[in-house]
Amino acid sequence: KQEVTQIPAALSVPEGENLVLNCSFTDSAIYNLQWFRQDPGKGLTSLLLIQSSQREQTSGRLNASLDKSSGRSTLYIAASQPGDSATYLCAVKDGNKLVFGAGTILRVKS
Amino acid sequence: GAVVSQHPSWVICKSGTSVKIECRSLDFQATTMFWYRQFPKQSLMLMATSNEGSKATYEQGVEKDKFLINHASLTLSTLTVTSAHPEDSSFYICSARDSRGNTEAFFGQGTRLTVV
Repeated sequence: KQEVTQIPAALSVPEGENLVLNCSFTDSAIYNLQWFRQDPGKGLTSLLLIQSSQREQTSGRLNASLDKSSGRSTLYIAASQPGDSATYLCAVKDGNKLVFGAGTILRVKS
Repeated sequence: GAVVSQHPSWVICKSGTSVKIECRSLDFQATTMFWYRQFPKQSLMLMATSNEGSKATYEQGVEKDKFLINHASLTLSTLTVTSAHPEDSSFYICSARDSRGNTEAFFGQGTRLTVV
């Protein structure tokens, strides 16, 4: 059974700092991995999608990497801003389903 | 990205009544939609996979008679919580994928259900 773990569970950083969020999964036979952002009481916004054949994806200040063989992904956020404060979720596509991690709660202090 | 609209965004109902939540893909067709439940400070748990024109596939432990799913068209799936009880209070989120093969999942805004 696929399990997804995210570390740390919570993170508080000053504005402007670069940071890394970690995601690991137990079964490397995935189709893709997706990073999402969730604001309190809201749905999920897709940030980056990495196919299993890819190593990384970039969008603006966000860069996500995937090491499928070791079952790991990282989300790098450059020059963090208070508006980046949210919960970040990673999910792997396992068959037809998405399996989610518990998320990392990020707070960027101004 | 593609847009998935979920309605209502919040609802309060009395114990014993039923509540219907709608999930629409606005600019794409989705033969498959997914319904999730999220408890406070926890991640999303898949409840069921909704298939257009056929019966939904429920995850283990999810009561299909309690959570009725209908996917009558390529752009609409509904989740009905029947005879709701306070323990059904939760955040429900739907997701859809474009039928043309794009594997990216798009999510609705979520529905906060409170049963009193």
